Amino acid sequence: QVQLQESGPGLVRPSQTLSLTCSVSGDSIMSGAWSWIRQPAGRGLEWIGRIYTNGLTNYNPSFESRVSLSLDTSRNQFSLKVNFVTAADTAVYYCAREEFDSGWYADSWGQGTLVSVSS
Amino acid sequence: IQLTQSPSFLSASVGDRVTIPCRASQAISNYLAWYQQKPGKAPKLLIYGATTLQSGVPSRFSASGSGTEFTLTITSLQPEDFATYYCQQLYSYPITFGQGTRLEIK
Repeated sequence: QVQLQESGPGLVRPSQTLSLTCSVSGDSIMSGAWSWIRQPAGRGLEWIGRIYTNGLTNYNPSFESRVSLSLDTSRNQFSLKVNFVTAADTAVYYCAREEFDSGWYADSWGQGTLVSVSS
Repeated sequence: IQLTQSPSFLSASVGDRVTIPCRASQAISNYLAWYQQKPGKAPKLLIYGATTLQSGVPSRFSASGSGTEFTLTITSLQPEDFATYYCQQLYSYPITFGQGTRLEIK
């Protein structure tokens, strides 16, 4: 049974960089694909981006190149960075494992971590 | 691609059969997934490939559709089914979700 756990600061200052890590157990990050999704309080889900096992990435253009994803195969982790954050980036951030069958769908999710952007 | 889930709220009773629609702004073949989310919890995958039930999901959940019109059906609602349901298109970037349908107890 795969398990995912997000970790990182719960508070980030405006214009700084949000950095989160997702630790994976029960599966190797060298299979499938891995993604980040976020959810502002009381609102819907927003897909941020995906990283494949070969390191290739897909990002949501709405983040205007502020986002980057990376893999750490030695630690079985993957990470998210969002640069130049504003209050609009305050949300619960989820990491997820994706499998492919008529598209990449998220079949396992972390519990989510709340990140607040405030001075 | 925009996904429209209407209504945003749906009231039903235990034992009811409910259908939750999702409409795509352009054809997405069967590249659609459905998720269930309860308050304070991560979303849970129910359906992928528009109609395939994820392993472990109760058989009272089913889904249909292709192209632009999709439906999630829950037969014989159970108390634990009251939650918010999201559709997600997997066809093109950016990947998008519907705004969700909140299923409430009548």
